[in-house]
Amino acid sequence: DAMVIQNPRYQVTQFGKPVTLSCSQTLNHNVMYWYQQKSSQAPKLLFHYYDKDFNNEADTPDNFQSRRPNTSFCFLDIRSPGLGDAAMYLCATSRDLRRGGNEQFFGPGTRLTVL
Amino acid sequence: QQPVQSPQAVILREGEDAVINCSSSKALYSVHWYRQKHGEAPVFLMILLKGGEQKGHEKISASFNEKKQQSSLYLTASQLSYSGTYFCGTEIGSSGNTPLVFGKGTRLSVIA
Repeated sequence: DAMVIQNPRYQVTQFGKPVTLSCSQTLNHNVMYWYQQKSSQAPKLLFHYYDKDFNNEADTPDNFQSRRPNTSFCFLDIRSPGLGDAAMYLCATSRDLRRGGNEQFFGPGTRLTVL
Repeated sequence: QQPVQSPQAVILREGEDAVINCSSSKALYSVHWYRQKHGEAPVFLMILLKGGEQKGHEKISASFNEKKQQSSLYLTASQLSYSGTYFCGTEIGSSGNTPLVFGKGTRLSVIA
């Protein structure tokens, strides 16, 4: 089945220790998104890629970086995690972004714990 | 530009109906509805586009008032499986080529 896969599902890191979360998709979608979701809150968009074009949200901290080496994979790097970065990180894809109305497909998420 | 959802939470008994609302101060291209169960990823329910087009599950009912920039999700004859948090997401602009912005969610609990 075509899907969005995230690894790991659970990640524990220490304060200040870099961590990388990965996302892969078999849908061949052009757009990939990274969201941060804290408990009882809405998913908050960090950035998205339209093909190779990277788009950073204005309020995304510099501590968060992303890479998309090819269509299928996208990575979220947190350079120096703080306690406030503990959250569920959701990866999503959509077919296109040139015109709206495209369903987003979400991966199962990675729950990040910062000690 | 975050859309506003109401109510924040609702408790239903099985078989009862509920309406969840989503409104925006911006001109909308589309409204998306997702349901998220605790600890899981959001699951797509429906998209409503300006002009009247809809995409989604046949069993889900929703409306989009383009003049008021409001959408409502109708949950009828609720089942235990309907429990979860419902998010609306909105795309703005003439072509909607902007990432979704999600509302804060409506927590729905269905009890036996």
